[in-house]
Amino acid sequence: QQQVKQSPQSLIVQKGGISIINCAYENTAFDYFPWYQQFPGKGPALLIAIRPDVSEKKEGRFTISFNKSAKQFSLHIMDSQPGDSATYFCAARGGTGGFKTIFGAGTRLFVKA
Amino acid sequence: SQTIHQWPATLVQPVGSPLSLECTVEGTSNPNLYWYRQAAGRGLQLLFYSVGIGQISSEVPQNLSASRPQDRQFILSSKKLLLSDSGFYLCAWSAIDEQFFGPGTRLTVL
Repeated sequence: QQQVKQSPQSLIVQKGGISIINCAYENTAFDYFPWYQQFPGKGPALLIAIRPDVSEKKEGRFTISFNKSAKQFSLHIMDSQPGDSATYFCAARGGTGGFKTIFGAGTRLFVKA
Repeated sequence: SQTIHQWPATLVQPVGSPLSLECTVEGTSNPNLYWYRQAAGRGLQLLFYSVGIGQISSEVPQNLSASRPQDRQFILSSKKLLLSDSGFYLCAWSAIDEQFFGPGTRLTVL
């Protein structure tokens, strides 16, 4: 019940296209859902986050869509660029896990020029 | 602003040798601290977390240990490294919800 399931495992998108990464969770006590971006050899960086009281949050080309009833959330990268090529992790926090962040397995995104 | 440091950046150690990785956080007080390991091309495995000085919780039984001698210092240690200890070690801190990662240490055990 503490898991966060992420898909797809890898994704290839043409430059200018939309990249979509999906995550699902079971624990309804989770109350904070961040996305992290990781470039090779670097630590993950917080990209954008959402709380379950809103259905969408947008920051520049990055948008989180949140469906509380379905217990799913997704990251949309509009106008994908080669510089967006990285590994993306969804995560969830709160509930009985307390201060632990539960991470998805990650999605390797490659944006073709 | 808050900053998190890890050193060394890379490390090559023989099997059976000891290990000490250090992490320090600046610009915040009483952070929650975490050690993660990431195998090549894989996800993040939580190893240890700490909510205060001397308070360490272990997530995965192994030959690694952690200590928090000061509020903003977190140390990962081993008495004898195994080949399977190779990986990318990440320190992280959090205050409330947001969690921030350090630059990582690439450990290769030969």
